[in-house]
Amino acid sequence: DSGVTQTPKHLITATGQRVTLRCSPRSGDLSVYWYQQSLDQGLQFLIQYYNGEERAKGNILERFSAQQFPDLHSELNLSSLELGDSALYFCASSVAGLAGGELFFGEGSRLTVL
Amino acid sequence: DQQVKQNSPSLSVQEGRISILNCDYTNSMFDYFLWYKKYPAEGPTFLISISSIKDKNEDGRFTVFLNKSAKHLSLHIVPSQPGDSAVYFCAASAEDGYAGNMLTFGGGTRLMVKP
Repeated sequence: DSGVTQTPKHLITATGQRVTLRCSPRSGDLSVYWYQQSLDQGLQFLIQYYNGEERAKGNILERFSAQQFPDLHSELNLSSLELGDSALYFCASSVAGLAGGELFFGEGSRLTVL
Repeated sequence: DQQVKQNSPSLSVQEGRISILNCDYTNSMFDYFLWYKKYPAEGPTFLISISSIKDKNEDGRFTVFLNKSAKHLSLHIVPSQPGDSAVYFCAASAEDGYAGNMLTFGGGTRLMVKP
């Protein structure tokens, strides 16, 4: 158990819909990262928050947005869903920066868009 | 542009033998490298890491080697065990002085250790 909690574990929805994925980081971790893994591909970095502020942005679509709340949990919002958005979405957390550090991953949220 | 590449999508090894997983990177700013292991239906878990100031780091059966001039790192597992069967991801990060850096992952190598 990494200490990172993601909900829901599975989600099935239709094209055009909007979903919200939730992540609770490990206790004490200030940084939250979101990654997308599609069809046995590598993990693609989406976005990172540190103590409520956006710190780094990767290949995140404009239809996607995220935020980190004062209690440090984070939500990833996916809107106008397309078939290609079907993927595993992982949240990870770390204490602060990554220099010499590792990320702790949740078990992921599997999104299926029909 | 893939900055971290794992060119072998899969590797099959006999139990007890050595498993060697390879990773190449292109970004010379990367200064910290990690290996993660992922089982089906689970999130990736940290395995071992190495700083760019070192060329080798060992932890039990796992050793990571870094060749900065070749921009290449490898993970050696000796001896390999059936429980090592998983997808292994290579990852890299670059310290930019900002609080928090993302990891750039390779595409993964699926290791199968046969009994």
